[in-house]
Amino acid sequence: EVQLVESGGGLVQPGRSLKLSCAASGFTFSNYYMAWVRQAPKKGLEWVATISTSGSRTYYPDSVKGRFTISRDNAKSSLYLQMNSLKSEDTATYYCARHPTLYGGYDYWGQGVMVTVSS
Amino acid sequence: DIVLTQSPTTLSVTPGETVSLSCRASHSIGTNLHWYQQKTNESPRLLIKYASQSISGIPSRFSASGSGTDFTLNINNVEFDDVSSYFCQQTQSWPNTFGAGTKLELK
Repeated sequence: EVQLVESGGGLVQPGRSLKLSCAASGFTFSNYYMAWVRQAPKKGLEWVATISTSGSRTYYPDSVKGRFTISRDNAKSSLYLQMNSLKSEDTATYYCARHPTLYGGYDYWGQGVMVTVSS
Repeated sequence: DIVLTQSPTTLSVTPGETVSLSCRASHSIGTNLHWYQQKTNESPRLLIKYASQSISGIPSRFSASGSGTDFTLNINNVEFDDVSSYFCQQTQSWPNTFGAGTKLELK
């Protein structure tokens, strides 16, 4: 059974950093692109980052480029999101998602982890 | 950026009805369009990939069509369990973007 379990969320002050983790199981992690998607309270979905199977290629929207870094450890079947210089508008539930191909939909999602940026 | 416009914003239907949800792209995206269902307090679930391709385990009452800029998700014989928000997503170009969603309610 495919499972994606996020961790590392919490309350953080503006300008500080936080690192999210996503533990994957039930599939060959190194064969899949992976992504982070967020959802602000009562809002829609926003793509945050994608990483290639080897980790050599990463993609970000302008809203987080230069502040967020996606990475992966295939040996540990783990995905990460390092978030720096956090802003109040980064407050959201963050989901990790499996991405079978670069152009494909996200076929499995984690349960999500809440990040609140507030002083 | 490619903007996806979903309509209607909210749809109120009677169980057993057939409904159509629209997603329009600001630029042509071929068939790199995917549909998700999200129930309250749950993670999104992939319903349809590449505009019309079905997903294993998804009820057959969900179908979709379209290419280029106009896409439609159809739900036949709507059931109580279908109460959710439905989002479309394009993966044609970066940044990948989502529509704002259609909320399906039952009368």
